[in-house]
Amino acid sequence: DQQVKQNSPSLSVQEGRISILNCDYTNSMFDYFLWYKKYPAEGPTFLISISSIKDKNEDGRFTVFLNKSAKHLSLHIVPSQPGDSAVYFCAASAAGNTPLVFGKGTRLSVIA
Amino acid sequence: DTEVTQTPKHLVMGMTNKKSLKCEQHMGHRAMYWYKQKAKKPPELMFVYSYEKLSINESVPSRFSPECPNSSLLNLHLHALQPEDSALYLCASSQDPGRPSPLHFGNGTRLTVT
Repeated sequence: DQQVKQNSPSLSVQEGRISILNCDYTNSMFDYFLWYKKYPAEGPTFLISISSIKDKNEDGRFTVFLNKSAKHLSLHIVPSQPGDSAVYFCAASAAGNTPLVFGKGTRLSVIA
Repeated sequence: DTEVTQTPKHLVMGMTNKKSLKCEQHMGHRAMYWYKQKAKKPPELMFVYSYEKLSINESVPSRFSPECPNSSLLNLHLHALQPEDSALYLCASSQDPGRPSPLHFGNGTRLTVT
């Protein structure tokens, strides 16, 4: 049973436009959420996180939104750049810093 | 550049071989992790070390044997692997096992079992 779901395997966006990557979760005990970016032949790179006491966290071009009632979070990248093309993983952990549970990832392609 | 260093980058081994994967971090992190990632799949947790003690083993077969010699080093000893064990093996670390904090990953070891 998948506790973290990324239902879009891929997404294509024009350079300069907004990329929106979505993630849903089922475990109501999750209280810490993260987004990672992964290029081929590299390990995942941490992008941004949010705890359940917030509904928004921003870092430069990256903003994560959390809707606890809907058990949904999203990552907004604006403006999108060709270097953002990668696989993006959503991850979550429960109180007590339980191990991260990852979604299956969404492959973002930013087209110049 | 990643702050978690894994060696070797690539490894090819036969089913009767014994080999070890190595991981090093100098960020003072007290939790270290081994993950396995197959193509087009998310990373799957194998082991967690907290303060140099094994705290989680996700029912990993005994042909994988982790070791944490000190707070900066993590090894994964491999013996009698199967071809289906071929994958990218990722090491990660985090600051404090008791508090939510991001995992920092190495670039992985690409393992092929022949």
